[in-house]
Amino acid sequence: QVQLVQSGAEVKKPGASVRVSCKASGYTFSDFTDYSIHWVRQAPGQGPESMGRINPNTGVRHSARKFQGRVTMTTDTSISTAYMELSGLRSDDTAVYYCGRVDCGGVYCLPVDTWGQGTPVTVST
Amino acid sequence: QSALTQEASVSGTVGQEVTLSCAGNSNNVGSYAVGWYQQISQGAPKTVMIGDSLPSGIPDRFSGSKSGTTASLTISGLQPEDEADYYCSTWDFSLSDWVFGGGTKVTVL
Repeated sequence: QVQLVQSGAEVKKPGASVRVSCKASGYTFSDFTDYSIHWVRQAPGQGPESMGRINPNTGVRHSARKFQGRVTMTTDTSISTAYMELSGLRSDDTAVYYCGRVDCGGVYCLPVDTWGQGTPVTVST
Repeated sequence: QSALTQEASVSGTVGQEVTLSCAGNSNNVGSYAVGWYQQISQGAPKTVMIGDSLPSGIPDRFSGSKSGTTASLTISGLQPEDEADYYCSTWDFSLSDWVFGGGTKVTVL
């Protein structure tokens, strides 16, 4: 079955960077596929917030305006893994970060159909 | 403030039918498929509906629909395990990004 497995919890100091990985299995990750990886975060007690998406097949990525300049999304197709790196961490970046699979085979990308288990990131002195 | 508007809470008894709504505009809900996500005790989200399509493994008591710029998720025959937070999400053309609702807490009485 389709599965996304994320890396473990992180604790970082303000100003540092964090990289979260998302390993995909159960479907074709990159070659001739229409699936992209969408990154979403959820701060404590808040709703989800989109960060951006990347197409492992083409490498094309789109970052949400709020995170442009701070977020870097990459993939390693040899190990079916996507990465999200967020730099210049602040205390309000404390959140659970999720990856999700989206089907972009149609006229537009559909909502996430499969989620990773989440990676808690705590930013604290 | 969320781009999509959801009820803060909805409650029902076991076996009852409840409907959650997700209101947007022509740039988002009115033009694109809406996803519904179930989140139990702040755990990982689980997709329970995309448009009116039921993902594999989701009970058929869940159904989705849309009328104009408002999408709905109906749970027919509410079960104790359905108690959770439910979020809606879709693409927004004007923002060039996915947007989410503020979430609805479903309580099973």
